[in-house]
Amino acid sequence: SQQGEEDPQALSIQEGENATMNCSYKTSINNLQWYRQNSGRGLVHLILIRSNEREKHSGRLRVTLDTSKKSSSLLITASRAADTASYFCATVTTDSWGKFQFGAGTQVVVTP
Amino acid sequence: EPEVTQTPSHQVTQMGQEVILRCVPISNHLYFYWYRQILGQKVEFLVSFYNNEISEKSEIFDDQFSVERPDGSNFTLKIRSTKLEDSAMYFCASRRTGGQNSPLHFGNGTRLTVT
Repeated sequence: SQQGEEDPQALSIQEGENATMNCSYKTSINNLQWYRQNSGRGLVHLILIRSNEREKHSGRLRVTLDTSKKSSSLLITASRAADTASYFCATVTTDSWGKFQFGAGTQVVVTP
Repeated sequence: EPEVTQTPSHQVTQMGQEVILRCVPISNHLYFYWYRQILGQKVEFLVSFYNNEISEKSEIFDDQFSVERPDGSNFTLKIRSTKLEDSAMYFCASRRTGGQNSPLHFGNGTRLTVT
């Protein structure tokens, strides 16, 4: 089964606006992580939220996790043009500590 | 900041040829991974490697694929007989520990084009 499906697939906003994207997953997880990918580059780890946490902040990033709904959201506040990238959630399931499963990502475009 | 490096950045090969994609993980990392991303699609797990052996592999990682850590620094992915559908970005990743909360560090990828 597919883990980590992000929505929307694409998001276009203006600088200063907030960007929210969601991730749903299917099986029990130990943690959920968000990564960013600039065009043609590798993924960069942004933030990790453990299964017993509900919300976490890092700078302009806010992540929530609802294990009852098997979903997470990533909020980028006061977006900047440099936030333009694809954002992926990755799950580490309870039965596979070493295999991170990614979705197809949300492509965010922030226009000045 | 230490980073994962991959070479080459772009590899073009003909169908049926063998390719070797190379990676130098971060020096004190012990767990190594290969992922691939077909254009516009999700990032797919291929294989994880620890202590000189494969820990897990996906259905994609069939007998045409192999990994090796030939020395203390390199980590390679070999595709023995490439197919058109192997065209993708291949990402190497590493992490320092196997703990569930230890994030992956990715290289910038090798774009493999099979013609």
